[in-house]
Amino acid sequence: NAGVMQNPRHLVRRRGQEARLRCSPMKGHSHVYWYRQLPEEGLKFMVYLQKENIIDESGMPKERFSAEFPKEGPSILRIQQVVRGDSAAYFCASSPSQDGLTGYTFGSGTRLTVV
Amino acid sequence: DQQVKQNSPSLSVQEGRISILNCDYTNSMFDYFLWYKKYPAEGPTFLISISSIKDKNEDGRFTVFLNKSAKHLSLHIVPSQPGDSAVYFCAASAGNTGNQFYFGTGTSLTVIP
Repeated sequence: NAGVMQNPRHLVRRRGQEARLRCSPMKGHSHVYWYRQLPEEGLKFMVYLQKENIIDESGMPKERFSAEFPKEGPSILRIQQVVRGDSAAYFCASSPSQDGLTGYTFGSGTRLTVV
Repeated sequence: DQQVKQNSPSLSVQEGRISILNCDYTNSMFDYFLWYKKYPAEGPTFLISISSIKDKNEDGRFTVFLNKSAKHLSLHIVPSQPGDSAVYFCAASAGNTGNQFYFGTGTSLTVIP
């Protein structure tokens, strides 16, 4: 029973390029969350999605960032025209329901480095 | 604006002794609290949770205490084991939907054999 799968584990992009981060939730989980961890900081909420719907994107930067969770396939976090400040660890989590007390299952993260 | 704070970036404890990790929050609307454990190069792993209707929740060696009036929670690990060495994050949310959790910056626990 595979957990939350994120790929790639490491991603290096030059300033101005696009970064695509993929997340396959656990089997049976239809709720996906993206969090970002900047150096020396805690995880910060970015976006919450269910299949084909963005439920809460209040943590997403207004420009260059977008997320989707299509009917088929993984959830994608897309960062256009990356800048050095986008360098961070991006974690995806999934859950079977909205019950916050069960906690999420997190993936191992994608470490984005912008050079 | 850091709504959840873990003021101790690191903690060292002897094996077999108690580890106490602290967390403070500022938003009085928070009513669900979780602790996560994170090893290097891995994602956080859910450890234990508590809702504001309780002041204590216990699961094996792990106990979480909540003091609503002080807006403070703590995680006790007894007895501490070397495998407990990791970074511990507390997280809080308002409402039980789990939409958005606010995480602290983490405390790195080292259990010395």
